[in-house]
Amino acid sequence: AQTVTQSQPEMSVQEAETVTLSCTYDTSENNYYLFWYKQPPSRQMILVIRQEAYKQQNATENRFSVNFQKAAKSFSLKISDSQLGDTAMYFCAFLPNFGNEKLTFGTGTRLTIIP
Amino acid sequence: EPEVTQTPSHQVTQMGQEVILRCVPISNHLYFYWYRQILGQKVEFLVSFYNNEISEKSEIFDDQFSVERPDGSNFTLKIRSTKLEDSAMYFCASSGDRAGEQYFGPGTRLTVT
Repeated sequence: AQTVTQSQPEMSVQEAETVTLSCTYDTSENNYYLFWYKQPPSRQMILVIRQEAYKQQNATENRFSVNFQKAAKSFSLKISDSQLGDTAMYFCAFLPNFGNEKLTFGTGTRLTIIP
Repeated sequence: EPEVTQTPSHQVTQMGQEVILRCVPISNHLYFYWYRQILGQKVEFLVSFYNNEISEKSEIFDDQFSVERPDGSNFTLKIRSTKLEDSAMYFCASSGDRAGEQYFGPGTRLTVT
């Protein structure tokens, strides 16, 4: 079974600064997908970014980028030029390429952007 | 942009009552999911559904739970006899392919009293 660990329950950063959220995972699979989801106070789950394990290039989406280290089973999210609207819970999630289709989530990091 | 919708946004029910949570997945998606999130905890997988049948379910998804796609657009989660511990946010998600992004609905907050 896969596990996803987010070791930072809470983080805060000043507006416009850069922040990095950590995620590690454990799996015996070689092919899989990793995701970061954002959950603002409205509690909706919003997909932020996706990474395929077979791709060496780190995914980027505007101000959001990842540092994917497959050997270390690490998948961190970097938010550049942070904005007040980035305040939310952030969940890292794992999806295997074969077999079951369920997302396995970490426990989340509560990120607060300070004006 | 197409999105997953869920109704109701909030449901309050008494213990032992049946509830049906409704979802309309994105129209060309084939894979459907239910997850739940107890307040303050992580999101947990309940069940996945493809080709009109359950493809996987978690240990949480016991005989009190069932899912159905009654027509071409709706996807429902039924809890036959609710318990206090069923109080949670229930998210529906859909995906266009098995390993694709799962797009989540806004959730239904279920409160069992």
